[in-house]
Amino acid sequence: DSGVTQTPKHLITATGQRVTLRCSPRSGDLSVYWYQQSLDQGLQFLIQYYNGEERAKGNILERFSAQQFPDLHSELNLSSLELGDSALYFCASSVTADSGNTIYFGEGSWLTVV
Amino acid sequence: AQSVAQPEDQVNVAEGNPLTVKCTYSVSGNPYLFWYVQYPNRGLQFLLKYITGDNLVKGSYGFEAEFNKSQTSFHLKKPSALVSDSALYFCAVRQTYNNAGNMLTFGGGTRLMVKP
Repeated sequence: DSGVTQTPKHLITATGQRVTLRCSPRSGDLSVYWYQQSLDQGLQFLIQYYNGEERAKGNILERFSAQQFPDLHSELNLSSLELGDSALYFCASSVTADSGNTIYFGEGSWLTVV
Repeated sequence: AQSVAQPEDQVNVAEGNPLTVKCTYSVSGNPYLFWYVQYPNRGLQFLLKYITGDNLVKGSYGFEAEFNKSQTSFHLKKPSALVSDSALYFCAVRQTYNNAGNMLTFGGGTRLMVKP
């Protein structure tokens, strides 16, 4: 158990809908990352937050947004869902934003868009 | 831009034999290198990392990795494979990104199959 908690574990929704994925980082970790894992794209970095502020943005679609709250939990909002958004979404956390810190991953949220 | 290559989609090894999962990287500046393992229907589990110092890094479950700067490689090794080591292995590199972020860039993954 990495200490990173993600909910829900599984989610099935229809095209055009909106979903929110939730993440609680490890106790004491200030930095949160979101990754998408799909068969064709592999593991793709989406976005990083550090202590409530956006720190880096990767290949995140405009239909997707995220935030990190004062209690350090984070949410990833996916809207106008398409079939291609079906993937495993990982949240990860690290103590600080330093590159030497280990990033610990949650078990992911499986999203299926039908 | 930083990148990681895992040249083998799958590695097959017999239980008890040594295993190697290959990884090469490209990054400007000093690399921070990581190995993660993903078991079926599970998240990514951290195995080990190289930041600086000794080129041979020891990690969890008896795994180790050797950093080779001249060959820009960071191969994962284990002296004696177990059937339970069968999983998907990811190599990743990390670099400060415009001093504003430090994302992990992953390789495509290598599936390790250990047969009894």
